[in-house]
Amino acid sequence: AQSVAQPEDQVNVAEGNPLTVKCTYSVSGNPYLFWYVQYPNRGLQFLLKYITGDNLVKGSYGFEAEFNKSQTSFHLKKPSALVSDSALYFCAVRDMRQSNYQLIWGAGTKLIIKP
Amino acid sequence: GAVVSQHPSWVICKSGTSVKIECRSLDFQATTMFWYRQFPKQSLMLMATSNEGSKATYEQGVEKDKFLINHASLTLSTLTVTSAHPEDSSFYICSAIRDRAPFYEQYFGPGTRLTVT
Repeated sequence: AQSVAQPEDQVNVAEGNPLTVKCTYSVSGNPYLFWYVQYPNRGLQFLLKYITGDNLVKGSYGFEAEFNKSQTSFHLKKPSALVSDSALYFCAVRDMRQSNYQLIWGAGTKLIIKP
Repeated sequence: GAVVSQHPSWVICKSGTSVKIECRSLDFQATTMFWYRQFPKQSLMLMATSNEGSKATYEQGVEKDKFLINHASLTLSTLTVTSAHPEDSSFYICSAIRDRAPFYEQYFGPGTRLTVT
């Protein structure tokens, strides 16, 4: 069965420090991987995706993520956190072989950046 | 960029009444739209896949007679919560796949907060 795990419900980081939000996945075939961010009472905003190619993917707002096939991980990172990065982050995956567009979602990780 | 709107952004209704939520792709055509439900501090739960001109495909456990979906045009899908009850209170989010674009170009609406009293 396909699944996405975000092992941390919440991550606390001091402003200016690097941040990492973890994501691991399980799919039968090769994955498409995504990160979305959600601000309070708002819809989701796309951050970045991995489809193929370079394992290090750069996205919006200075975020990046590294696809690690052997560890089946796609951790979200940023070198220097901002208070405005505080939000809820979702990792999602789709099996390349699927014929529909559905994404499998992680449970989300609340990121809190303290000044 | 592609924009998806939802209306209303929030609604309060009485138990037993019905509520309609609209999802529009403002600057692109979308044959396929999705409806999600999100509980507080939880992930998105896919409710159904809405396809223009055909019946929606509901996920297991979602009552199709309670959550009516109509995708009448390439830019509009509606979700009607019929005979709403307090347990239907939630945040409802739609997303749209832009036609002829890669599947991963999925755009999300801002969500609708439904409170049933």
